[in-house]
Amino acid sequence: SAVISQKPSRDICQRGTSLTIQCQVDSQVTMMFWYRQQPGQSLTLIATANQGSEATYESGFVIDKFPISRPNLTFSTLTVSNMSPEDSSIYLCSVVPLQNTGELFFGEGSRLTVL
Amino acid sequence: AQSVTQPDIHITVSEGASLELRCNYSYGATPYLFWYVQSPGQGLQLLLKYFSGDTLVQGIKGFEAEFKRSQSSFNLRKPSVHWSDAAEYFCAVVSSNDYKLSFGAGTTVTVRA
Repeated sequence: SAVISQKPSRDICQRGTSLTIQCQVDSQVTMMFWYRQQPGQSLTLIATANQGSEATYESGFVIDKFPISRPNLTFSTLTVSNMSPEDSSIYLCSVVPLQNTGELFFGEGSRLTVL
Repeated sequence: AQSVTQPDIHITVSEGASLELRCNYSYGATPYLFWYVQSPGQGLQLLLKYFSGDTLVQGIKGFEAEFKRSQSSFNLRKPSVHWSDAAEYFCAVVSSNDYKLSFGAGTTVTVRA
């Protein structure tokens, strides 16, 4: 299994600012993903965080808005840039452990509110 | 492209009654299927998963799900619900080669006394 710590767990942000969310895993993982859950909605994949290279973004998401870093096998960050109220969401980190059983593990999520 | 449909947006069930949540998927190959639960203000917790083998899978908290390839379904069931089962339930399918999850819209379960 994998234990995932996300920081911050929640934050209130001002329009136009940027916020970086951290995802720390207690063990090495092969794949790391970032999802967004808008209020009352399901989860949507933002991007795959690739170690040592640029993230792979899904349709509708761009690097300028959601820059992602993954410097090693246990850590990744997602930045939400130039925030607007529409960015108010829960952002979740998900991982596939090195000992791959096919299961994906999720962090508790980071709940952002943009005023 | 893979996709998941959860036809029921909201289900209300009495405590002690049985529960069934529907899930239909679209995927070209053999799917990896999951059910997750999200309690209010909480993260996602995996209830159960299906990769291959026995089509009836047992999960945590007394839940089970049955994979039916002919119907492209993976319905979740619980024989007797508890008030603590009130939550949002998500069905998801993943591609075995890239592990990108596609989630259904979710079903909200309300349990009445």
